Amino acid sequence: EPEVTQTPSHQVTQMGQEVILRCVPISNHLYFYWYRQILGQKVEFLVSFYNNEISEKSEIFDDQFSVERPDGSNFTLKIRSTKLEDSAMYFCASKTAAQNYGYTFGSGTRLTVV
Amino acid sequence: AQKVTQAQTEISVVEKEDVTLDCVYETRDTTYYLFWYKQPPSGELVFLIRRNSFDEQNEISGRYSWNFQKSTSSFNFTITASQVVDSAVYFCALSEVGGSQGNLIFGKGTKLSVKP
Repeated sequence: EPEVTQTPSHQVTQMGQEVILRCVPISNHLYFYWYRQILGQKVEFLVSFYNNEISEKSEIFDDQFSVERPDGSNFTLKIRSTKLEDSAMYFCASKTAAQNYGYTFGSGTRLTVV
Repeated sequence: AQKVTQAQTEISVVEKEDVTLDCVYETRDTTYYLFWYKQPPSGELVFLIRRNSFDEQNEISGRYSWNFQKSTSSFNFTITASQVVDSAVYFCALSEVGGSQGNLIFGKGTKLSVKP
């Protein structure tokens, strides 16, 4: 069965450093998402991406965050200058169409900011 | 505004007991989807079920069953004859159709511990 692949599975970074989280969505999917889960809390929507641009973003997704689909297969989330409170599990997800609710989630990247 | 409430923060049962996880949602849309996900200790999100707002039929899949009641805005999940492997955090989620890209709104989750 097709999978959404996220790398790395765990990343430790120093406060203030830039970090890039990588995702390879399923190849025929068109809608891409990032979600965040702070340890012990609920999963929160960050951003959705379609047709090479952001289609929706939450209040969490401020100027420190950016997303990109640089080469037609990867989908990246960049945090420009990490803060301690960015420590969380970050999930990538994809699906074929907006009205198709068959989400596929990746297994997540645990980001630890020290 | 849309909202998902899982009032039970933690539940602990003994193996073979039945357990019901509650989920109450709020939405102004008439068309929406409801989901349950399981998050085991390893951290990934495992899809369990998706239900659209027009389909109020209850569903059973093995030891799992779901009760969707539009009148009370609830979508409860029952595990029959629980097993230790059912120990996980369970999330209920809502996705509205109108005007959105289908983003998921999650509840805070219910941590289920099944003891042998």
